Amino acid sequence: DAGVIQSPRHEVTEMGQEVTLRCKPISGHDYLFWYRQTMMRGLELLIYFNNNVPIDDSGMPEDRFSAKMPNASFSTLKIQPSEPRDSAVYFCASSVGKGNYGYTFGSGTRLTVV
Amino acid sequence: TQLLEQSPQFLSIQEGENLTVYCNSSSVFSSLQWYRQEPGEGPVLLVTVVTGGEVKKLKRLTFQFGDARKDSSLHITAAQPGDTGLYLCAGARQAGTALIFGKGTTLSVSS
Repeated sequence: DAGVIQSPRHEVTEMGQEVTLRCKPISGHDYLFWYRQTMMRGLELLIYFNNNVPIDDSGMPEDRFSAKMPNASFSTLKIQPSEPRDSAVYFCASSVGKGNYGYTFGSGTRLTVV
Repeated sequence: TQLLEQSPQFLSIQEGENLTVYCNSSSVFSSLQWYRQEPGEGPVLLVTVVTGGEVKKLKRLTFQFGDARKDSSLHITAAQPGDTGLYLCAGARQAGTALIFGKGTTLSVSS
């Protein structure tokens, strides 16, 4: 298995532009998570899905952020409009089943908003 | 307020030394996990501990879950440069809920 695949690896955009981050989870994993990592705040959970259904989006910073999972093999995180404070590394992770299973993370998307 | 507090934040040691990093909380967790992250990559799972008092060993790494399931420690024996990285602890308040991560301990091992 190729693991969790995220694209793009790096994104530089101007303030006010729309940004879309993409994630392909591991086949057979029924949980998908979006995290954001910064030096100041560490890894923060943004939203997670179970069987393509959003379960908890309380970590989404504000209405500028939205996430979708149209099928079991694809998810997007969209920021519109983007702001400099959104600059961070965004990680997607997937896991199998409930319980205490570990997460498999993608390599992340480094977003810079100028 | 961070739900999981990790200490120390930074640790710089020489090859061959032993070290312990800590993960503490005032809350009970159903499980705790430890991850290691290298620059430019996502965290990689090292271990999951579930039972209070549980001890797990992974080669030179020893993980312990506190009896009350509120804290955990990671001990590395005879550290090597390849152990360099960011060590993150993460906990699930209930089985099936999303993991909450600590801010991590950045370990640097020089030869």
